[in-house]
Amino acid sequence: AQTVTQSQPEMSVQEAETVTLSCTYDTSENNYYLFWYKQPPSRQMILVIRQEAYKQQNATENRFSVNFQKAAKSFSLKISDSQLGDTAMYFCAFMNPWGFGNEKLTFGTGTRLTIIP
Amino acid sequence: NAGVTQTPKFQVLKTGQSMTLQCAQDMNHEYMSWYRQDPGMGLRLIHYSVGAGITDQGEVPNGYNVSRSTTEDFPLRLLSAAPSQTSVYFCASSYRAGANVLTFGAGSRLTVL
Repeated sequence: AQTVTQSQPEMSVQEAETVTLSCTYDTSENNYYLFWYKQPPSRQMILVIRQEAYKQQNATENRFSVNFQKAAKSFSLKISDSQLGDTAMYFCAFMNPWGFGNEKLTFGTGTRLTIIP
Repeated sequence: NAGVTQTPKFQVLKTGQSMTLQCAQDMNHEYMSWYRQDPGMGLRLIHYSVGAGITDQGEVPNGYNVSRSTTEDFPLRLLSAAPSQTSVYFCASSYRAGANVLTFGAGSRLTVL
């Protein structure tokens, strides 16, 4: 079974600074997907970024980028030029989509990020 | 295009009562699923469906029933609510089983007294 670990329950950073959220995972699979989801106070789950394990290039979405280290099973999220709207709970998640009905997301416990004005 | 719609948004139940959380999507998605979110535990899969008439158990299925009579709807039933089922419930869908992008509903907060 896969596990996802987020070791930082809470973080805070000044507006406009850069922050990195950590995530490690454990799996015996070779092909899989990794995700970062954002959950603001509205409770909506919002996909921030996605990484396919067979791609060596790190995914980037505007101010959000990942550092994917497959051998180390590490998947950190970097937020550049942080904004007040980035304040949210961030979840790292793993998916192995290669089986019938085997598409469940395995989530970490989350990191609560606060951007300080 | 409403996406994934969950009702109700909030519900308070007494132990032993039954209720149904509704989930509807208008994107013609084949795959639908229910997760629960508890403090300090992330989200965990309860049940899922890969198409109309097909459902299966996820990680934490006990105490919940589901059915999928149409592509659009995937209700989650609590037959006899227990305080341990106090949680926030999310419905999520994707266009097919194996697709790697889920669309989530806004969540339903359930409190069982």
